[in-house]
Amino acid sequence: ETGVTQSPTHLIKTRGQQVTLRCSSQSGHNTVSWYQQALGQGPQFIFQYYREEENGRGNFPPRFSGLQFPNYSSELNVNALELDDSALYLCASSRSRRDNSPLHFGNGTRLTVT
Amino acid sequence: QKEVEQNSGPLSVPEGAIASLNCTYSDRGSQSFFWYRQYSGKSPELIMFIYSNGDKEDGRFTAQLNKASQYVSLLIRDSQPSDSATYLCAVKGSSGSARQLTFGSGTQLTVLP
Repeated sequence: ETGVTQSPTHLIKTRGQQVTLRCSSQSGHNTVSWYQQALGQGPQFIFQYYREEENGRGNFPPRFSGLQFPNYSSELNVNALELDDSALYLCASSRSRRDNSPLHFGNGTRLTVT
Repeated sequence: QKEVEQNSGPLSVPEGAIASLNCTYSDRGSQSFFWYRQYSGKSPELIMFIYSNGDKEDGRFTAQLNKASQYVSLLIRDSQPSDSATYLCAVKGSSGSARQLTFGSGTQLTVLP
């Protein structure tokens, strides 16, 4: 069984640039969630995708956007990068958006904005 | 008030001791509760989940849930230096179609050899 995979592992961008992060969900999982984890903090919910549609969003501005594809993989796009966007970005998949099944996280993408 | 609160620590225990990690949550309708372990620079790894009041044991780990008190805890018996990590409490919300996980800020545990 293939777990959640994310790419790239590390990324350095300049303020104002745009970035795209990618995630492949675990086999059999149709729901993908994205989290941002700043240093010393717990992960913060960005949004969730189910059947290619956004299915809930946390307190993040519209410059954070995403996509989910028919194979359940997903992208997180961030426009107009700010220094505070520097964080570990985590993708997690789950069997269903409705049940109580746990989230399984990928290894994350470490984004540094200079 | 933060939705999920944990003592940030650091919590230090000697090898072989019991480590006790605590978490409170504000959403009274929450139904599912998770403990994740996160090593420095790595992603969170699921340790335990609990849905019903009481205790749930898995090896050296015991999760305890008290919904009336809105309290969940994790006990680690016979603590090992390899248990040194940040432990994240996460609660799945009761409302909205997303029912996303809300995390506490984590408790940093150090097990001293």
